[in-house]
This record gives sequence, C-alpha cells and structure tokens, in this order.
Amino acid sequence: KQEVTQIPAALSVPEGENLVLNCSFTDSAIYNLQWFRQDPGKGLTSLLLIQSSQREQTSGRLNASLDKSSGRSTLYIAASQPGDSATYLCAVRWSAPLVFGKGTRLSVIA
Amino acid sequence: DAGITQSPRHKVTETGTPVTLRCHQTENHRYMYWYRQDPGHGLRLIHYSYGVKDTDKGEVSDGYSVSRSKTEDFLLTLESATSSQTSVYFCAISLAGGSSTDTQYFGPGTRLTVL
Repeated sequence: KQEVTQIPAALSVPEGENLVLNCSFTDSAIYNLQWFRQDPGKGLTSLLLIQSSQREQTSGRLNASLDKSSGRSTLYIAASQPGDSATYLCAVRWSAPLVFGKGTRLSVIA
Repeated sequence: DAGITQSPRHKVTETGTPVTLRCHQTENHRYMYWYRQDPGHGLRLIHYSYGVKDTDKGEVSDGYSVSRSKTEDFLLTLESATSSQTSVYFCAISLAGGSSTDTQYFGPGTRLTVL
C-alpha cells in the first residue's frame, strides 16, 4: 500500500531556530511531492512542489529535498518565526490524487 | 489563488438527511477531487473526476456519490448522512493527472456537522 508518514506529529521550537520536518513514503515511483501549510480552521496552501527528477526546491526561508531511493523528503525552515506556526503536510503523487501524511504541527515560541 | 469555491462553507444537518456539497472552479482544470479531513486521519480521498462524467472512487468512498456534468462543477452527495460523516470536506483541482509538474490546488473547505 502506498503510504506517507510524517514524524514528529508535533514540534515546538524557540524563535530563530532552524528546523527540519520529515516525510517518508513507501514507493519510490512518484510523479512529485508537495509540501503544504495549513493554519487552524483554514485551507491548504501549497509551499513547494518537487518533481520526481529534482533533488530540492527553495522558496525564501524554505527548502525541500527529495531522495526517492530512500523514500524521504525533508522540509527545512530557516530562522523560524512565530508566524511559521501551523500544520505542515507532505503529500505524494503516485497517480492523479495526492496521498497525504498526517502532518506535523509546528509551534514557534517567541 | 486558484479560482475554487465551495458551497456551503458550513452546514449542520440531521442523521438520515441527504446533503450535497458543491465545488466550482474557474480554472478549466480537467481533474477535480473531494477529500475529507479528520483528526488523526489527515486528508483522505473520497472520489475524483478526470473529466465530465468520468469519476473514480477513493479510499473512503462508501456512503458518498459524485457527479460532474460540467467542467467547472463537481458535486459530492451524502445520500443519507451519518454522524461518522461529520468532517471538513476539501475540494481540489489539477490540470493533469500524471504529470510531474502538476500542482494540486485546494478550495477553502466545507465544515459539515451531522447530528
């Protein structure tokens, strides 16, 4: 079964820290992988998309990496801010629909 | 932001009543999806559509039906709502299905409570 796992489920860090969120998946034959952000009670905002042929993507303070052979992706957030507090979701595309992990709830403490 | 709207945004209904949720897009994307989000389960696929009148089941399709008579609209129907269908429902769209560059965009969600 194609599954996506995110660890840890929750993370609390002081402001200014660099942090890494982890995502693992069971089948390396992916089209792409997306990272989303979700604020409480809100919808999903796409942060980064990494194509199957790519190793990483960057947007501002965010950097996402992809290692298909090991079935892993990481989302690196530099110099974290309280405004980064949200749930971060990893989703993998093996076919048309996305398969989601359960997310990592991030709290950045001022 | 992608032009995706969902209606209603909030609904409270009673067990046994039929409910229809609507997703409307202005992007002319071919693929449309319905997911539900529940604590402890994340987002799970209910049904999706790969064209007008073309649909397929997802992981949690029991108790749900869908219809797509126009490119821009994708309807999700709960024939007889149950308390287990209390959830937040998200619609999503994508231009293609099997492309490595294709991004999926999400609507704002519908919060459904079944009493």
